Amino acid sequence: GQNIDQPTEMTATEGAIVQINCTYQTSGFNGLFWYQQHAGEAPTFLSYNVLDGLEEKGRFSSFLSRSKGYSYLLLKELQMKDSASYLCASMDSNYQLIWGAGTKLIIKP
Amino acid sequence: GAVVSQHPSRVICKSGTSVKIECRSLDFQATTMFWYRQFPKQSLMLMATSNEGSKATYEQGVEKDKFLINHASLTLSTLTVTSAHPEDSSFYICSARRLAGGDTDTQYFGPGTRLTVL
Repeated sequence: GQNIDQPTEMTATEGAIVQINCTYQTSGFNGLFWYQQHAGEAPTFLSYNVLDGLEEKGRFSSFLSRSKGYSYLLLKELQMKDSASYLCASMDSNYQLIWGAGTKLIIKP
Repeated sequence: GAVVSQHPSRVICKSGTSVKIECRSLDFQATTMFWYRQFPKQSLMLMATSNEGSKATYEQGVEKDKFLINHASLTLSTLTVTSAHPEDSSFYICSARRLAGGDTDTQYFGPGTRLTVL
């Protein structure tokens, strides 16, 4: 079956670094996506990885290991506005996104 | 960046009425659009895949006669919730698939439509 696993909730301190892990099992693989979703809003696209390695984009970086079915989203210099849910999604062979349940990130001052 | 709009953003209707939600890709052509619904504190659930010029493909358990999807052009897909009932109250989100060439194939989400059925 197809499955995406990520932690339900994480807490971090303003200014710190946090890593949100995601493991996936999908029928075929056409990339791994990370989305940010604030409460009551639609998700917004953060990153896309299809090759192994680290993609850095400002304060956010995303890593992929296809052999391990593993990805992580790294957030640096955390700000209060980063409090949100972070959704991991794998694109399967039919180009459909298989979603994780999301990780709620709580930032404390 | 790519922009996808949805209209309306919020709608409140009486039970038994029909509601139409529009999803538009504003600066790119989308041969495929997806419709999701999200209940509070739950993940997005794919309802159907909408392909321009052809019938939508519905996920198991989604009633095609209740959730009518039309993808009449490369920039517009509509979802009509027919004879809405309170249990249809949810957050409906569309996304449009953009083919950017190379290895990138990204879905861009609309802002969502919050439907409340009284």
